[in-house]
Amino acid sequence: GIQVEQSPPDLILQEGANSTLRCNFSDSVNNLQWFHQNPWGQLINLFYIPSGTKQNGRLSATTVATERYSLLYISSSQTTDSGVYFCAVGTGTASKLTFGTGTRLQVTL
Amino acid sequence: DVKVTQSSRYLVKRTGEKVFLECVQDMDHENMFWYRQDPGLGLRLIYFSYDVKMKEKGDIPEGYSVSREKKERFSLILESASTNQTSMYLCASSFQAGGRYEQFFGPGTRLTVL
Repeated sequence: GIQVEQSPPDLILQEGANSTLRCNFSDSVNNLQWFHQNPWGQLINLFYIPSGTKQNGRLSATTVATERYSLLYISSSQTTDSGVYFCAVGTGTASKLTFGTGTRLQVTL
Repeated sequence: DVKVTQSSRYLVKRTGEKVFLECVQDMDHENMFWYRQDPGLGLRLIYFSYDVKMKEKGDIPEGYSVSREKKERFSLILESASTNQTSMYLCASSFQAGGRYEQFFGPGTRLTVL
Protein backbone atom coordinates (compact mmCIF):
# COMPACT_ATOMS: atom_id res chain seq x y z
CA GLY A 1 0.00 0.00 0.00
CA ILE A 2 0.86 3.65 -0.12
CA GLN A 3 3.44 4.93 2.35
CA VAL A 4 3.17 8.30 4.09
CA GLU A 5 6.08 9.82 5.98
CA GLN A 6 5.96 12.99 8.04
CA SER A 7 8.82 15.04 9.34
CA PRO A 8 9.91 16.11 11.81
CA PRO A 9 8.29 13.76 14.34
CA ASP A 10 8.60 16.35 17.09
CA LEU A 11 8.98 20.10 17.06
CA ILE A 12 9.32 22.63 19.87
CA LEU A 13 8.91 26.30 19.04
CA GLN A 14 8.77 29.55 20.90
CA GLU A 15 5.64 31.58 20.42
CA GLY A 16 5.94 33.77 17.35
CA ALA A 17 8.23 31.43 15.43
CA ASN A 18 7.49 29.95 12.02
CA SER A 19 7.62 26.29 11.08
CA THR A 20 7.34 23.94 8.12
CA LEU A 21 5.98 20.42 8.36
CA ARG A 22 6.60 17.97 5.54
CA CYS A 23 4.64 15.00 4.20
CA ASN A 24 6.09 12.60 1.62
CA PHE A 25 3.98 9.94 -0.06
CA SER A 26 4.89 7.04 -2.27
CA ASP A 27 2.23 6.99 -5.00
CA SER A 28 -0.31 9.10 -6.90
CA VAL A 29 -3.19 10.33 -4.78
CA ASN A 30 -6.61 11.89 -5.34
CA ASN A 31 -6.90 13.26 -1.82
CA LEU A 32 -4.48 14.89 0.59
CA GLN A 33 -5.60 16.37 3.85
CA TRP A 34 -3.88 18.06 6.76
CA PHE A 35 -5.42 17.72 10.21
CA HIS A 36 -4.76 19.10 13.66
CA GLN A 37 -5.70 16.73 16.47
CA ASN A 38 -6.85 18.65 19.51
CA PRO A 39 -6.22 17.52 23.12
CA TRP A 40 -9.62 15.80 23.20
CA GLY A 41 -8.72 13.68 20.20
CA GLN A 42 -10.85 15.30 17.54
CA LEU A 43 -9.33 15.70 14.09
CA ILE A 44 -9.81 19.24 12.86
CA ASN A 45 -9.65 19.72 9.09
CA LEU A 46 -6.99 22.23 8.12
CA PHE A 47 -6.65 21.75 4.37
CA TYR A 48 -7.97 19.57 1.59
CA ILE A 49 -5.14 19.96 -0.90
CA PRO A 50 -4.45 17.16 -3.40
CA SER A 51 -2.51 19.75 -5.42
CA GLY A 52 -1.67 23.43 -5.44
CA THR A 53 -1.43 26.01 -2.67
CA LYS A 54 -3.97 27.23 -0.13
CA GLN A 55 -3.87 29.70 2.72
CA ASN A 56 -6.05 30.10 5.78
CA GLY A 57 -4.94 32.82 8.15
CA ARG A 58 -1.54 31.97 9.64
CA LEU A 59 -1.56 28.55 8.01
CA SER A 60 -0.81 27.67 4.43
CA ALA A 61 -0.16 24.45 2.55
CA THR A 62 1.40 23.42 -0.73
CA THR A 63 1.18 20.06 -2.46
CA VAL A 64 3.46 19.17 -5.38
CA ALA A 65 1.70 16.05 -6.60
CA THR A 66 4.23 15.27 -9.34
CA GLU A 67 7.00 15.13 -6.72
CA ARG A 68 4.80 13.45 -4.09
CA TYR A 69 5.14 15.80 -1.19
CA SER A 70 3.16 18.38 0.71
CA LEU A 71 4.21 21.14 3.10
CA LEU A 72 2.27 22.79 5.90
CA TYR A 73 3.48 26.23 6.98
CA ILE A 74 2.62 27.71 10.35
CA SER A 75 3.55 31.34 10.80
CA SER A 76 3.67 33.36 14.02
CA SER A 77 2.91 30.26 16.06
CA GLN A 78 0.71 30.48 19.16
CA THR A 79 0.39 28.15 22.13
CA THR A 80 -3.01 27.07 20.81
CA ASP A 81 -1.23 25.61 17.77
CA SER A 82 0.21 22.88 19.99
CA GLY A 83 -0.89 19.34 19.25
CA VAL A 84 -0.36 16.68 16.65
CA TYR A 85 -0.53 17.44 12.94
CA PHE A 86 -1.41 14.62 10.58
CA CYS A 87 -1.07 14.34 6.86
CA ALA A 88 -3.35 11.78 5.21
CA VAL A 89 -3.56 10.72 1.58
CA GLY A 90 -6.33 8.98 -0.31
CA THR A 91 -6.43 6.77 -3.37
CA GLY A 92 -9.04 4.87 -5.31
CA THR A 93 -12.74 5.48 -5.82
CA ALA A 94 -13.57 5.79 -2.13
CA SER A 95 -10.37 7.71 -1.45
CA LYS A 96 -9.68 5.80 1.73
CA LEU A 97 -7.15 7.68 3.81
CA THR A 98 -3.74 6.46 4.83
CA PHE A 99 -2.31 8.54 7.66
CA GLY A 100 1.23 9.55 8.39
CA THR A 101 2.56 9.11 11.92
CA GLY A 102 2.16 12.79 12.70
CA THR A 103 4.26 15.73 13.86
CA ARG A 104 3.89 16.62 17.54
CA LEU A 105 4.21 20.39 17.90
CA GLN A 106 4.74 22.16 21.19
CA VAL A 107 4.65 25.94 21.26
CA THR A 108 6.08 27.52 24.39
CA LEU A 109 5.85 31.06 25.76
CA ASP B 1 -21.05 23.06 8.40
CA VAL B 2 -20.52 19.36 8.12
CA LYS B 3 -21.43 17.56 11.27
CA VAL B 4 -20.41 14.03 12.19
CA THR B 5 -21.55 12.83 15.58
CA GLN B 6 -20.68 9.72 17.55
CA SER B 7 -22.92 8.18 20.17
CA SER B 8 -20.46 8.27 23.08
CA ARG B 9 -17.26 10.12 23.95
CA TYR B 10 -16.22 7.54 26.54
CA LEU B 11 -17.30 3.92 26.89
CA VAL B 12 -16.24 1.19 29.31
CA LYS B 13 -17.19 -2.40 28.55
CA ARG B 14 -16.26 -5.86 29.83
CA THR B 15 -14.53 -8.61 27.90
CA GLY B 16 -17.01 -10.64 25.91
CA GLU B 17 -19.70 -7.94 25.71
CA LYS B 18 -21.24 -6.95 22.39
CA VAL B 19 -20.49 -3.29 21.72
CA PHE B 20 -22.18 -0.91 19.30
CA LEU B 21 -20.57 2.35 18.24
CA GLU B 22 -22.87 4.66 16.31
CA CYS B 23 -21.99 7.40 13.85
CA VAL B 24 -24.34 9.86 12.18
CA GLN B 25 -23.57 12.47 9.50
CA ASP B 26 -25.84 15.23 8.23
CA MET B 27 -24.22 16.06 4.88
CA ASP B 28 -25.77 13.40 2.66
CA HIS B 29 -22.32 11.83 2.15
CA GLU B 30 -22.16 8.53 0.33
CA ASN B 31 -18.96 7.30 2.01
CA MET B 32 -18.57 6.54 5.68
CA PHE B 33 -15.51 5.18 7.46
CA TRP B 34 -14.41 3.73 10.80
CA TYR B 35 -10.81 4.16 11.98
CA ARG B 36 -9.04 3.29 15.20
CA GLN B 37 -6.12 5.20 16.67
CA ASP B 38 -3.49 3.63 18.89
CA PRO B 39 -0.25 5.05 20.28
CA GLY B 40 2.66 4.10 18.08
CA LEU B 41 0.40 2.64 15.39
CA GLY B 42 -1.40 5.77 14.24
CA LEU B 43 -4.81 5.77 12.58
CA ARG B 44 -5.88 2.67 10.72
CA LEU B 45 -8.97 1.95 8.65
CA ILE B 46 -11.27 -0.77 9.98
CA TYR B 47 -14.21 -0.71 7.53
CA PHE B 48 -15.84 1.65 5.13
CA SER B 49 -19.17 1.89 3.33
CA TYR B 50 -19.86 3.52 -0.01
CA ASP B 51 -23.64 3.07 -0.02
CA VAL B 52 -26.49 1.79 2.11
CA LYS B 53 -25.99 -1.89 2.92
CA MET B 54 -22.61 -1.84 1.11
CA LYS B 55 -19.36 -2.30 3.00
CA GLU B 56 -15.73 -3.15 2.40
CA LYS B 57 -12.99 -4.25 4.75
CA GLY B 58 -10.22 -1.88 5.56
CA ASP B 59 -6.77 -2.72 6.85
CA ILE B 60 -7.74 -4.23 10.22
CA PRO B 61 -11.30 -5.67 10.05
CA GLU B 62 -10.70 -8.70 12.29
CA GLY B 63 -12.97 -8.72 15.32
CA TYR B 64 -15.31 -6.07 13.91
CA SER B 65 -18.43 -5.89 11.78
CA VAL B 66 -20.43 -2.93 10.49
CA SER B 67 -23.98 -2.04 9.57
CA ARG B 68 -25.35 0.67 7.32
CA GLU B 69 -29.13 0.54 7.07
CA LYS B 70 -29.60 4.26 6.40
CA LYS B 71 -27.41 6.64 4.43
CA GLU B 72 -26.69 8.91 7.39
CA ARG B 73 -25.84 6.22 9.93
CA PHE B 74 -22.89 3.81 10.14
CA SER B 75 -22.46 1.43 13.06
CA LEU B 76 -19.34 -0.41 14.20
CA ILE B 77 -19.98 -3.63 16.09
CA LEU B 78 -17.61 -5.52 18.33
CA GLU B 79 -19.25 -8.94 18.52
CA SER B 80 -17.27 -10.03 21.59
CA ALA B 81 -15.11 -7.24 22.96
CA SER B 82 -11.53 -8.03 23.91
CA THR B 83 -8.92 -6.01 25.78
CA ASN B 84 -6.89 -5.45 22.61
CA GLN B 85 -9.83 -3.50 21.22
CA THR B 86 -9.29 -0.79 23.82
CA SER B 87 -8.68 2.20 21.58
CA MET B 88 -9.89 5.53 20.23
CA TYR B 89 -12.48 5.01 17.48
CA LEU B 90 -13.05 7.71 14.89
CA CYS B 91 -15.83 7.87 12.33
CA ALA B 92 -15.62 9.92 9.13
CA SER B 93 -17.71 10.68 6.06
CA SER B 94 -17.17 12.09 2.58
CA PHE B 95 -18.71 12.51 -0.84
CA GLN B 96 -17.96 9.82 -3.36
CA ALA B 97 -17.30 11.62 -6.60
CA GLY B 98 -16.84 14.92 -8.32
CA GLY B 99 -13.39 15.33 -6.82
CA ARG B 100 -14.89 16.13 -3.43
CA TYR B 101 -13.16 13.44 -1.40
CA GLU B 102 -12.52 15.48 1.72
CA GLN B 103 -13.25 13.44 4.84
CA PHE B 104 -14.81 14.95 7.95
CA PHE B 105 -14.37 13.30 11.33
CA GLY B 106 -16.51 12.90 14.39
CA PRO B 107 -15.23 13.67 17.91
CA GLY B 108 -14.17 10.07 18.58
CA THR B 109 -15.12 7.43 21.14
CA ARG B 110 -12.56 6.29 23.70
CA LEU B 111 -13.41 2.65 24.37
CA THR B 112 -11.93 0.77 27.30
CA VAL B 113 -12.46 -2.98 27.50
CA LEU B 114 -11.80 -4.43 30.95
